[in-house]
Amino acid sequence: QKEVEQDPGPLSVPEGAIVSLNCTYSNSAFQYFMWYRQYSRKGPELLMYTYSSGNKEDGRFTAQVDKSSKYISLFIRDSQPSDSATYLCAMNRGSTLGRLYFGRGTQLTVWP
Amino acid sequence: KAGVTQTPRYLIKTRGQQVTLSCSPISGHRSVSWYQQTPGQGLQFLFEYFSETQRNKGNFPGRFSGRQFSNSRSEMNVSTLELGDSALYLCASSLMGQMNTGELFFGEGSRLTVL
Repeated sequence: QKEVEQDPGPLSVPEGAIVSLNCTYSNSAFQYFMWYRQYSRKGPELLMYTYSSGNKEDGRFTAQVDKSSKYISLFIRDSQPSDSATYLCAMNRGSTLGRLYFGRGTQLTVWP
Repeated sequence: KAGVTQTPRYLIKTRGQQVTLSCSPISGHRSVSWYQQTPGQGLQFLFEYFSETQRNKGNFPGRFSGRQFSNSRSEMNVSTLELGDSALYLCASSLMGQMNTGELFFGEGSRLTVL
């Protein structure tokens, strides 16, 4: 079993919809939680970062972390066709030099 | 400010050959990590270098190796290529201390096809 599980989708929604993306994890040592966005033929880019449990909002994006359930979410409000990409959750143990553990990514398509 | 540069972007090799991939981090970044991305396994950590020292290594066979130079540029090498090594190899750089934020800056990757 992978340490980070993410439904690969694909997920297809109409423009303006609210999108919910989720990951579960098994390692309680994870402290830092991130969401990356990856467009086709590009490298991943950091979208959101959250430390420990709680919520963080940035424009149309909201990240939630529930450490008690080992569950993290990314919500996209008023989704746009330009949001069409693969979304990857990632986490690490918080060491300064370390590694990120990624989910497999969820492929999202927002159609006009 | 230039981003992370990876070369070559695409390459085709045959089984048994070896390959070397190169990564130039963002100027001032001293930490470089490598990931393998496949449709089946997603992003898997290969190794991480800081100041020419390997700090972390993932669960890959010894055929996968890397190094970092004094200018922070990094290379990874895969010897005795297998079909399963076909993947997108991503390099990421970060400032020391920013690892806590997960702020890895990725290159566009080197897509390796093994025939």
